Amino acid sequence: DSGVTQTPKHLITATGQRVTLRCSPRSGDLSVYWYQQSLDQGLQFLIQYYNGEERAKGNILERFSAQQFPDLHSELNLSSLELGDSALYFCASSAGSDPGNQPQHFGDGTRLSIL
Amino acid sequence: QQQVKQSPQSLIVQKGGISIINCAYENTAFDYFPWYQQFPGKGPALLIAIRPDVSEKKEGRFTISFNKSAKQFSLHIMDSQPGDSATYFCAASSWDGGSQGNLIFGKGTKLSVKP
Repeated sequence: DSGVTQTPKHLITATGQRVTLRCSPRSGDLSVYWYQQSLDQGLQFLIQYYNGEERAKGNILERFSAQQFPDLHSELNLSSLELGDSALYFCASSAGSDPGNQPQHFGDGTRLSIL
Repeated sequence: QQQVKQSPQSLIVQKGGISIINCAYENTAFDYFPWYQQFPGKGPALLIAIRPDVSEKKEGRFTISFNKSAKQFSLHIMDSQPGDSATYFCAASSWDGGSQGNLIFGKGTKLSVKP
């Protein structure tokens, strides 16, 4: 058990809809990362928050947004959903702000299916 | 420039054999090279990581070999066991470019160890 909790585990919705994915980081970790995993693109970094502030952006679409709350949990909002957004979405956390200097602990993901 | 190319896509090894997974990169600014292990239905978990100032790092049955001049690194799993059957991802990070140290993953290798 990584200590990172993601909800829900599965989400089925339709094109054009909006969903929110939730992540609780490991106790004491200040950084939260969001990743998208698909068969064709692999595991892609979307965005990082550190102690409530956005720290880095990766391949995140404008239709997607995220935030980290004062209690350090994070939410990833996906809007105007398209079929191609169907994927596994992972949250990871780490203690510090530098992703290249410490392990990231991953949750078990949210599987998003767009019908 | 920011890609990490991983091979093979899939690998079948007999129990007790050596599993070898290779990764190659172009960006000479990469300075952190972790390997993650992912079991079905779970998030990736850090297995072992290396920095370019060493050519090899060993942790139990897992060894990373790093060739800076060739811009390649590989994971060796000695005495492979059926419990090692999983998908393995290499990754790299650097502080240049837009990712600010965040991880860039290879596409993954699905390892099956036959009893």
